[in-house]
Order: sequence, then C-alpha cells, then structure tokens
Amino acid sequence: AQTVTQSQPEMSVQEAETVTLSCTYDTSENNYYLFWYKQPPSRQMILVIRQEAYKQQNATENRFSVNFQKAAKSFSLKISDSQLGDTAMYFCAFEVEGIGFQGAQKLVFGQGTRLTINP
Amino acid sequence: NAGVMQNPRHLVRRRGQEARLRCSPMKGHSHVYWYRQLPEEGLKFMVYLQKENIIDESGMPKERFSAEFPKEGPSILRIQQVVRGDSAAYFCASSPGPPGTGSTDTQYFGPGTRLTVL
Repeated sequence: AQTVTQSQPEMSVQEAETVTLSCTYDTSENNYYLFWYKQPPSRQMILVIRQEAYKQQNATENRFSVNFQKAAKSFSLKISDSQLGDTAMYFCAFEVEGIGFQGAQKLVFGQGTRLTINP
Repeated sequence: NAGVMQNPRHLVRRRGQEARLRCSPMKGHSHVYWYRQLPEEGLKFMVYLQKENIIDESGMPKERFSAEFPKEGPSILRIQQVVRGDSAAYFCASSPGPPGTGSTDTQYFGPGTRLTVL
C-alpha cells in the first residue's frame, strides 16, 4: 500500500518570501504520478502541479516548482515570491499509473500543510 | 468548459435519514471518483466509477454506502441511515477516458458537498 507523509502541519512566511513544503511517500511501484493540490478557505481542491515519475526533469508552473527525488521518495513544493492568495492547505498526493483502459487511479493524499502568507 | 459540478453544496440530515450526493463530471470525462474529507484531515478515496461500472470500491464502508454512475445523468453517492460520524466534506473528481484521449491521470475536483448529521 502507498502512503504519503507531510511532516509540516503548519507553516507561515512573509509575503514575497520563498517557502518549501515537504512530502515523502512510500511505494513499491515504478510508474506513478505525484501531485500538489491547494485547498483555500473555499475548500475547492485546485491542482497546483503534477510530476510523472519517469521524468527526471522537475515540473514547474510559474511560481511553483518541485524537487522530485525518486530514489529518496521525496517530492517537495517550492513557492517563489509568495502572495497572500497562496494562503491555503496544501496536499501532496500519489497515484499509481493506470493500466490499459483503466485511466486515472485513486489518489492517496497526505495530511496536508496549512500555509499562511503574512502581509 | 464547465468544471465538475456537485450538489447540493451543503446538506443537513438527522440521524437515520438518507443522504444523496450528486456529481456531474467535466464534459468529455467518463471517470468519476469520490473522496471523503473529515475535519482537519486529508482526502480519503472511497470509490472509482466509469459509466455503469464500479472499478474500485476499496475505500467504501461495507454498509450503508453505495455509489452509481448511470449511463445517463450524474453519479450518485448514497448514504443510508446516516450517523454523526458521516459528517464530512465529500468531494467528487473526474478524469478523461482511456489513454489517447488526453491527460488521463489528472483528476479535477468539484467544490464538494458538506454533509452535517444532527
């Protein structure tokens, strides 16, 4: 069974600073996907970034980037130039690659990190 | 392109009543997933459905919970004889069909239904 661990329950930084959220996972699978989702106070789950395990290059999306270390089973999220709107719960999630016509498989989520950006 | 739709957004039930939660996937998506989020916790997988088929129900409680995704209409998560422990946010997500139809391994979430059992 896969597990996802986020060891930082809460973090707080000043606006414009850079912050890194950590995530580790445990799996025996070789083909999988990793995601970071953001959940603001509205509780909507918003996809932030996605990484395919077979890709060595770290994914980036504007101010968001990841540090994917497959051997260490580590998948941290870096937010640069943080903004007030980045305040949210951040969830790391793992998904085994689907086989054939099965499509996306179930997501396994970590417990989340509550990030607060202070003005 | 409308996103994943869920209704109702808030649902209040008394113990012993039935709760029916609806989910309409994004246009062109044929895979639906249900997750439950207890207060201050991450989301927990419940069930994965394709049209008229349950693919993976390993996260569903053995009793009182059922899910369907009919040929026509939304997916329904049904909770019979609700208890206070069922109070949670229930999220639906959808993804496209088989490989070759796009990014098949990304799930897009609806706004959730918050169920409160009195």
